[in-house]
Amino acid sequence: DTAVSQTPKYLVTQMGNDKSIKCEQNLGHDTMYWYKQDSKKFLKIMFSYNNKELIINETVPNRFSPKSPDKAHLNLHINSLELGDSAVYFCASSLGAGISEAFFGQGTRLTVV
Amino acid sequence: AQKITQTQPGMFVQEKEAVTLDCTYDTSDPSYGLFWYKQPSSGEMIFLIYQGSYDQQNATEGRYSLNFQKARKSANLVISASQLGDSAMYFCAILNTGNQFYFGTGTSLTVIP
Repeated sequence: DTAVSQTPKYLVTQMGNDKSIKCEQNLGHDTMYWYKQDSKKFLKIMFSYNNKELIINETVPNRFSPKSPDKAHLNLHINSLELGDSAVYFCASSLGAGISEAFFGQGTRLTVV
Repeated sequence: AQKITQTQPGMFVQEKEAVTLDCTYDTSDPSYGLFWYKQPSSGEMIFLIYQGSYDQQNATEGRYSLNFQKARKSANLVISASQLGDSAMYFCAILNTGNQFYFGTGTSLTVIP
């Protein structure tokens, strides 16, 4: 039973399209995250969502928007996709209180052509 | 702002030897956590070990230990008795009081038979 699951695992799409990546966690965690891992393996935090409070990394373009229908889900919507959006996107969750690790989904490899 | 520095882009170690992966950090938070993750070539993010900033003793988990030197702001990962399966990218991360994880640029470890 996967703790943090994200779909799809692979996504190939054309420039200008709008796409979504879904994420669900069954750990009962309060905090969820989206990370972008570029071709150099650098992991950059995009968003964190805790108790309806959204913290946005200021460098994230507003074409990216997280949507959380409930505590267990944090989906990522991307509008007007650009070539530079190609990357692996990871969803993660953590307890949100105290010091505890983040659990990661398996990643979504997005390729924009 | 949080900053994590991993100065070793690549490391090599002989099988069965120990290896130390360096990590230094900078934060103004009074309380924080330091984490290490492993990312094998298959791409998933695997949690290895963590240390709370107020923990007196260095954390250990099997063959992994975290050499925490608070005054030096370093949190090096020591892997003892290296195995071929340890070959992977290793990321150091800091968890701040805002519940956000910030990652270093990673170290690629290759275990030589």
